[in-house]
Amino acid sequence: SQQGEEDPQALSIQEGENATMNCSYKTSINNLQWYRQNSGRGLVHLILIRSNEREKHSGRLRVTLDTSKKSSSLLITASRAADTASYFCATAKGSNYQLIWGAGTKLIIKP
Amino acid sequence: EAGVTQFPSHSVIEKGQTVTLRCDPISGHDNLYWYRRVMGKEIKFLLHFVKESKQDESGMPNNRFLAERTGGTYSTLKVQPAELEDSGVYFCASSPRGGSSYEQYFGPGTRLTVT
Repeated sequence: SQQGEEDPQALSIQEGENATMNCSYKTSINNLQWYRQNSGRGLVHLILIRSNEREKHSGRLRVTLDTSKKSSSLLITASRAADTASYFCATAKGSNYQLIWGAGTKLIIKP
Repeated sequence: EAGVTQFPSHSVIEKGQTVTLRCDPISGHDNLYWYRRVMGKEIKFLLHFVKESKQDESGMPNNRFLAERTGGTYSTLKVQPAELEDSGVYFCASSPRGGSSYEQYFGPGTRLTVT
């Protein structure tokens, strides 16, 4: 069964605006990761947040994790055209390296 | 440092034929994973190698799929015979052994089309 569910499925915003994507999951996790996929390319790791962390920053990215609600959000501030991509959350449970993925959010940044 | 590479980038085969996908992980990475994304669905885990050993193959859909990693370097994923529902993008990823990072490094994927 699908572990992560993301919303929105698609998001279109103007360059310079902030983009927020959400992810929910169903079981307990060790960590939650966000990946980006540009069209026709592989998945690129963006950020990892552990289950005992609540917020993490990396450049223009801000990730939050609420384990009580089993949800996470990814905020991209001051968006750029190059941020246009699909964004996926993935969870890892315990020492199991298997990643369980959400369906992804397709983000379009309009110039 | 070279990233994860996959070959071919795209394969079109007929139902019933055999296809072999190849993945070359980042040099020195003991962990190697296969995932796939069929059209309109989420990315799903297929299996995980640690060096040449299959650590977890719980995601392999059926016995038409065979993965190998002889010598613990590159890996192949064979689909025999291919069915229409096997169409999708097959991703390979690798990660180093040990440490506290669970980050996986992905290849560009192989797009498989079964007609």
